[in-house]
Amino acid sequence: NAGVMQNPRHLVRRRGQEARLRCSPMKGHSHVYWYRQLPEEGLKFMVYLQKENIIDESGMPKERFSAEFPKEGPSILRIQQVVRGDSAAYFCASSSGTVPDYGYTFGSGTRLTVV
Amino acid sequence: GENVEQHPSTLSVQEGDSAVIKCTYSDSASNYFPWYKQELGKGPQLIIDIRSNVGEKKDQRIAVTLNKTAKHFSLHITETQPEDSAVYFCAARASGGSYIPTFGRGTSLIVHP
Repeated sequence: NAGVMQNPRHLVRRRGQEARLRCSPMKGHSHVYWYRQLPEEGLKFMVYLQKENIIDESGMPKERFSAEFPKEGPSILRIQQVVRGDSAAYFCASSSGTVPDYGYTFGSGTRLTVV
Repeated sequence: GENVEQHPSTLSVQEGDSAVIKCTYSDSASNYFPWYKQELGKGPQLIIDIRSNVGEKKDQRIAVTLNKTAKHFSLHITETQPEDSAVYFCAARASGGSYIPTFGRGTSLIVHP
């Protein structure tokens, strides 16, 4: 039973390009959460999705960032027109229900570098 | 919203010593407090959690204590080993909304052999 799969592990983009980060939750998990981790900082919540629905996007920057979790396929975090400040590790977590009755399982993350 | 403070940011101990990491939270209605361990290049992994109806929980060398009145909780690692070296994050679950845990900034634990 594979865990949460994130790809790519490392992504390099030039300023102004688009970055697409993918997250496949654990089998049987229908809740996906995206977090951003800046160097020397903690995990900052970005967005919480269930299949075809955004439940909470209170942590998402208002511009350039979007997320989806379609009926079929992985969840996608999309960053348009990337800037150097977007360089960070992006983690996806999944659960089978609402925390705390069901724990989070994190993926290994995507490390985005904007050059 | 919830605010979680974590101390210290860095903790260096000798193998066999104990390590204690402390967190405070602001929302008195928070009722779930997980701890995560993040090794270099990997995602955070849940190591222990505690709910607000319990004051202490132990799992082998790891224990967590919760003081609801003071709104703080701590992670205790006894008989530390080099493989305990990692970044540890505490979190507190928000009392409402979509129940998203808020994380502390992390503690880098270094265990010297």
